[in-house]
Amino acid sequence: DIQMTQSPSSLSASVGDRVTITCRASQSITNSLNWYQHKAGKAPKLLIYVSSTLQSGVPSRFSGSGSGTDFTLTISSLQPEDFATYYCQQSHSTPFTFGGGTKVEIK
Amino acid sequence: EVQLVESGGGLVQPGGSLRLSCAGSGFNFRSYWMSWVRQAPGKGLEWVANIRQDGNEKNYVDSGKGRFTISRDNANSAVYLQMNSLRVEDTGVYYCVRDVQDYWIGRYFDNWGQGTLVTVSS
Repeated sequence: DIQMTQSPSSLSASVGDRVTITCRASQSITNSLNWYQHKAGKAPKLLIYVSSTLQSGVPSRFSGSGSGTDFTLTISSLQPEDFATYYCQQSHSTPFTFGGGTKVEIK
Repeated sequence: EVQLVESGGGLVQPGGSLRLSCAGSGFNFRSYWMSWVRQAPGKGLEWVANIRQDGNEKNYVDSGKGRFTISRDNANSAVYLQMNSLRVEDTGVYYCVRDVQDYWIGRYFDNWGQGTLVTVSS
């Protein structure tokens, strides 16, 4: 199985900050990497798919990059509604696996 | 608007069984793979199983093999997860997910239901 390692597991940031979350796969997954936002009590939301493609309706302050084993999610200017937990997920092969999550909290 | 509505969760004793259902609407259900993803209390997301459009290919997380069975009814736009021999560690919120597989673009989960809570406890 492909292991996905996210870092950091949590971070504190202020509105307007630039935030970067990293995700590393245990083997190459080419660009088969997706990012989701999850708020407590709500359904997870797709943000970015195949490493860098922004899902329709997602603000352009979100961006993704990377290929092979190393990937990044960047929020260029953190907004109040962005405080949530973020997960990466590999779709290269089953079992599809998620990173452990990064909880973004208000500083 | 795409909608996925889960049902069938509840409290069950260890060793018991439960069948989750998911009703899809607002899209051509028979054209999509479907998945189940779960979240244990205080933990992250875990993919559980998926099923191909025609129902003839199914995949499972290792911990679910031999205990869980995914199935679908395209005529009624529904997908199911039969869970047997349930364990305490199967406790969590189970999400029904539309599983997009595009040969040219890639694969991702683009629509999620609100989830149904499964509690395995004596």
